[in-house]
Amino acid sequence: GAGVSQSPRYKVAKRGQDVALRCDPISGHVSLFWYQQALGQGPEFLTYFQNEAQLDKSGLPSDRFFAERPEGSVSTLKIQRTQQEDSAVYLCASSLVNGGEAFFGQGTRLTVV
Amino acid sequence: GENVEQHPSTLSVQEGDSAVIKCTYSDSASNYFPWYKQELGKGPQLIIDIRSNVGEKKDQRIAVTLNKTAKHFSLHITETQPEDSAVYFCAASMNNNNDMRFGAGTRLTVKP
Repeated sequence: GAGVSQSPRYKVAKRGQDVALRCDPISGHVSLFWYQQALGQGPEFLTYFQNEAQLDKSGLPSDRFFAERPEGSVSTLKIQRTQQEDSAVYLCASSLVNGGEAFFGQGTRLTVV
Repeated sequence: GENVEQHPSTLSVQEGDSAVIKCTYSDSASNYFPWYKQELGKGPQLIIDIRSNVGEKKDQRIAVTLNKTAKHFSLHITETQPEDSAVYFCAASMNNNNDMRFGAGTRLTVKP
């Protein structure tokens, strides 16, 4: 596709459920990033992949958050045992190289009820 | 770590007027300062960026200035149009996207 694609666009989960959020980066982009954007705030860094290697996961808020990019293209962000404070928009971005222009997807809005 | 503060949180201007959004950063090692525009229901989109080796950059109606000594940078939009209405975010990083830190955003409304 022409841009970064994320699915689903919206997800409502009951507290305690596991969720999986998908990101399809721009083809050929080596770097992939996940951000969490709370309502009325700027994006906050979660984790970074270079190809299939997860080089930085310093922003993941707890061990309930897990991300993977097994073949160096599509990435999945998984949140286990969701809590209300996990409610946010989860943004994925990709860039040709780290430090290059980052292109963002539309995000997945997660609401935990 | 880096801390980015952004002001104002909301800004309303009349069409044709100028808009200025200001950001400060804390880490003197930061050397890359992008600005993003986020429209409702969309992801942030890069509109302009500046690196620490220049003090000003302009692209049509948009300009960014950087004062490294004072650790602040600003976005200037001239001749504003209703389609400029959006949330604008500044960010700072040390040239790597994984250490990029964003401001809290400015909601700009341009009244026709």
